[in-house]
Amino acid sequence: ETGVTQTPRHLVMGMTNKKSLKCEQHLGHNAMYWYKQSAKKPLELMFVYNFKEQTENNSVPSRFSPECPNSSHLFLHLHTLQPEDSALYLCASSHLLAGGTDTQYFGPGTRLTVL
Amino acid sequence: GNSVTQMEGPVTLSEEAFLTINCTYTATGYPSLFWYVQYPGEGLQLLLKATKADDKGSNKGFEATYRKETTSFHLEKGSVQVSDSAVYFCAHRYNQGGKLIFGQGTELSVKP
Repeated sequence: ETGVTQTPRHLVMGMTNKKSLKCEQHLGHNAMYWYKQSAKKPLELMFVYNFKEQTENNSVPSRFSPECPNSSHLFLHLHTLQPEDSALYLCASSHLLAGGTDTQYFGPGTRLTVL
Repeated sequence: GNSVTQMEGPVTLSEEAFLTINCTYTATGYPSLFWYVQYPGEGLQLLLKATKADDKGSNKGFEATYRKETTSFHLEKGSVQVSDSAVYFCAHRYNQGGKLIFGQGTELSVKP
């Protein structure tokens, strides 16, 4: 596989369930990102990981728990979500350059529905 | 604060029509500017980018010029196709830190 892959592509879960989203990048990048895309709203950056270390958390509720075991894999663990958390969750990756980051490449997203 | 504003959609055009999607940004300093495209059911794909004033990004017949004086990065295409139907996102990024700021997206629908 090439690029950035995400699984599952679609997920339906109840508010009491625990599930995880997976992202894998095959681009040799060292920075990874989670974004939330809700209808009629700009993309919201949730988390940033550089070299497996979390460098940004944009006031995301604790019911979302990210995990980055290595530079190629990123997870988003979900528990006790609310219906308003239903959205498309996008993963992205990029090179981490001196003084900043290179262009971000996105996966296809996981469409999450919380009942 | 830093923000990106795009023209509201949906934009509906006939095939071979000229396309302009306006994008303006608010920022201090000199960010890099991007256009991403999202086809139905897919994630975002980088369409083009520009990293300094007066740069022109181009790809697949789309163009956008970094205009510092008007803080704009309007997307244009001379002749759209049905396959261009998608949502287009304008974004800016500071080289320090790398955080992308996205606009709300503009949906384009091209009819045969």
